[in-house]
Amino acid sequence: DAGVTQSPTHLIKTRGQQVTLRCSPISGHKSVSWYQQVLGQGPQFIFQYYEKEERGRGNFPDRFSARQFPNYSSELNVNALLLGDSALYLCASSLEPYEQYFGPGTRLTVT
Amino acid sequence: DAKTTQPNSMESNEEEPVHLPCNHSTISGTDYIHWYRQLPSQGPEYVIHGLTSNVNNRMASLAIAEDRKSSTLILHRATLRDAAVYYCILRGMDSSYKLIFGSGTRLLVRP
Repeated sequence: DAGVTQSPTHLIKTRGQQVTLRCSPISGHKSVSWYQQVLGQGPQFIFQYYEKEERGRGNFPDRFSARQFPNYSSELNVNALLLGDSALYLCASSLEPYEQYFGPGTRLTVT
Repeated sequence: DAKTTQPNSMESNEEEPVHLPCNHSTISGTDYIHWYRQLPSQGPEYVIHGLTSNVNNRMASLAIAEDRKSSTLILHRATLRDAAVYYCILRGMDSSYKLIFGSGTRLLVRP
């Protein structure tokens, strides 16, 4: 079975630009969560979606937004990129309320 | 959100048991104790979880103190592949089921 997939793998953007990251959950999983992992730290929760509805939001500015599609895939959008947004962005899917399965992440570099 | 405290790093010899401690003195009655690990250049991977009783699975065992203020992840025979950052996480039963990662314990396995 295919695991959680994320695209792109790596991305380089300039300050002020906008970026869209994509995630496909494991087949049958209706919940998708997004996390940001800065180098040397543990992942930080950004959003969780279930059945296309936002069910949780972490302490991130409004520049961060997300949505979930009818096929349960998800996009994370970040506007007005800052240097501090450089991080590994992780997507996880789950069958609620059990363990989360993480993808390999998208490495975003903001220059 | 309840917090966890883990040692920054631990070392073990290959094929020996490893006991990874976690303190969570502010745990609430409905918090589950989850353990995830993150191998280099990968997303986190679910290891095990429990509520009150000790738990075993193919990867590890989880020993939970009677007062639930601490727990220990036990790897019965460490292999080089077990070298990773291990995160102890308290997961509440709110609607988002978000995971709050700390800084984790970096496990080094010596051949």
